[in-house]
Amino acid sequence: GENVEQHPSTLSVQEGDSAVIKCTYSDSASNYFPWYKQELGKGPQLIIDIRSNVGEKKDQRIAVTLNKTAKHFSLHITETQPEDSAVYFCAASILTGGGNKLTFGTGTQLKVEL
Amino acid sequence: GAGVSQTPSNKVTEKGKYVELRCDPISGHTALYWYRQSLGQGPEFLIYFQGTGAADDSGLPNDRFFAVRPEGSVSTLKIQRTERGDSAVYLCASSLTTGASGYTFGSGTRLTVV
Repeated sequence: GENVEQHPSTLSVQEGDSAVIKCTYSDSASNYFPWYKQELGKGPQLIIDIRSNVGEKKDQRIAVTLNKTAKHFSLHITETQPEDSAVYFCAASILTGGGNKLTFGTGTQLKVEL
Repeated sequence: GAGVSQTPSNKVTEKGKYVELRCDPISGHTALYWYRQSLGQGPEFLIYFQGTGAADDSGLPNDRFFAVRPEGSVSTLKIQRTERGDSAVYLCASSLTTGASGYTFGSGTRLTVV
């Protein structure tokens, strides 16, 4: 089955700096790669996703890149703000129209310091 | 409702007891997913429903775990003979269709087996 590895496990940045979180996956058939943000006591919230036919996607301060050859994808957050502090999870799945079973990474605790 | 609702938010039970965890998905969402999240880990897939039927239950750890969705809306995750290792946050998510990529998570039920 799919295995997703995520690094780093913790990341501390100064407000206004950029943050990068990296993930690798094992199943070359995976074609959908979402990123979730989880705040304490809440469920994960989808912040951005990318499909395998696209190499990069951007939404305001957040961008995701995908390298299918290397089976590697990354989340980039620019101009970080204190409210960006949370745990971020990457995930991968094979979208077939018959359900979307996600395999998650182990998470990155991002702390944005003032 | 506006989001996915899970009840109770917290449940403490004694080892060996039976528990039921409830999920109310977003109205009209046909796909419903259950995940389990242990401390410091990403969510792990348990089961998903298309309408009333369990389309994929490959993530259920053993036959003590069972889930139903009799009317295609509310779902109940049932755990028999609970063990301390079952302690985790149980997350429910729903999406408009089974082929939809992103889905919405509830805040979870924190189960503690003592």
